[in-house]
Formats: sequence, C-alpha cells, structure tokens
Amino acid sequence: DAGVIQSPRHEVTEMGQEVTLRCKPISGHNSLFWYRQTMMRGLELLIYFNNNVPIDDSGMPEDRFSAKMPNASFSTLKIQPSEPRDSAVYFCASSFMQLNQPQHFGDGTRLSIL
Amino acid sequence: RKEVEQDPGPFNVPEGATVAFNCTYSNSASQSFFWYRQDCRKEPKLLMSVYSSGNEDGRFTAQLNRASQYISLLIRDSKLSDSATYLCVVASDKLIFGTGTRLQVFP
Repeated sequence: DAGVIQSPRHEVTEMGQEVTLRCKPISGHNSLFWYRQTMMRGLELLIYFNNNVPIDDSGMPEDRFSAKMPNASFSTLKIQPSEPRDSAVYFCASSFMQLNQPQHFGDGTRLSIL
Repeated sequence: RKEVEQDPGPFNVPEGATVAFNCTYSNSASQSFFWYRQDCRKEPKLLMSVYSSGNEDGRFTAQLNRASQYISLLIRDSKLSDSATYLCVVASDKLIFGTGTRLQVFP
C-alpha cells in the first residue's frame, strides 16, 4: 500500500521565491498534518486538517505560510515569499482521526532557501 | 516549562544493555501518548502507543504515570539497529512532539 507521498523530496531556491510543497495522504485517512523540523526547534506542528477543513493553524509561523486541502487526496503548503530561516525539513502526515490516533509520515521535503 | 520534555542524550550503550527513557508532559488533560522512532535523515515512524496499564512489544515496554505526568520507554537487549532518536508524543487538544532522545548502541 502506498504511504503518504510528498513532493518534491528536495527543493533549493533563492529567498523571495514562492515555494509549494505537496502531499498525498494515505487513502481513507481523514486527517492531515503539516510539520516542520529543524535542529533547533525539533518537530513543530504547523497546521492540521480534518475532513479537508483546517482545524488548527496556530503553528503557522506567519502570513507568508499558507496551506490548502482542496480534496481528500491532496494538500499543499505554500511559502511566499520564502526566507533563509524557512530552511527545514517539512513533513506531511495523515491518520484516521484527529489527534488520538497514530500518524503516518511522508518522507519529507528538504527545503533550502539561499 | 516546555509542554513535553525529553533528555536529548545521547545515550551510548553496549549491545545487550537495557536502557530507559523518560518523557514528562505538563498538560494533565493529555489523553493519548505515543513513542516514535526517527532515524537520521528519515521520517518519524510509530514505535508504539502507550496505554494506561502499560504495554509491551517484544523488547520494548512503554509505561504511563499520570500522577507524575510522565511516560517511559524501556528497551531490553539493545541491538545496533536500535540506534535512533526516540520521540515522545502527547496529545490533548493538540499534538506535541518532544525534541527526542538520541540512542547510540555500540558493539
């Protein structure tokens, strides 16, 4: 069975550019989560969706970050404009139900903003 | 105080040793608890859920102490392949990951 699929695996771009990260959750899962991981701050929850609806976006750093989930099988995380401090590994995860079920993570997107 | 705290380690142990990690949490209303494992440059993967009565999966034992607000993970008979970072996860109205405890098992 396919797991959570993220793309791209790696992204290197210059500051000021728009970055779009993509995620396909496991089929049948109705909750989707976006995380950011850095050495300094560890794994941080940015936003999560339940049945395609954003439930908690309190972890989104600032207005430069936005996330959408237009349907049950696709989500995007967009950064515009990007800054060097956004460099991190971004993970997408999905689960059957909100917060009390184990989550399955994608391979992550390694983002470097120059 | 952080919502979820872990000793970052590293814990360096020889093969065959028993090692234990603790994780403390601050929200007494927390409902669900998990241990995840993360290998270097890989995604976190669920190791085991933590149940109120404690639970065991092979060489791994997880326990929850609600009174003292901590969870623990015990690994018996350590293998080289157990070398990884172990993240504790606490869920209440939101999901909080600890920063992880690094384990290095040496021959």
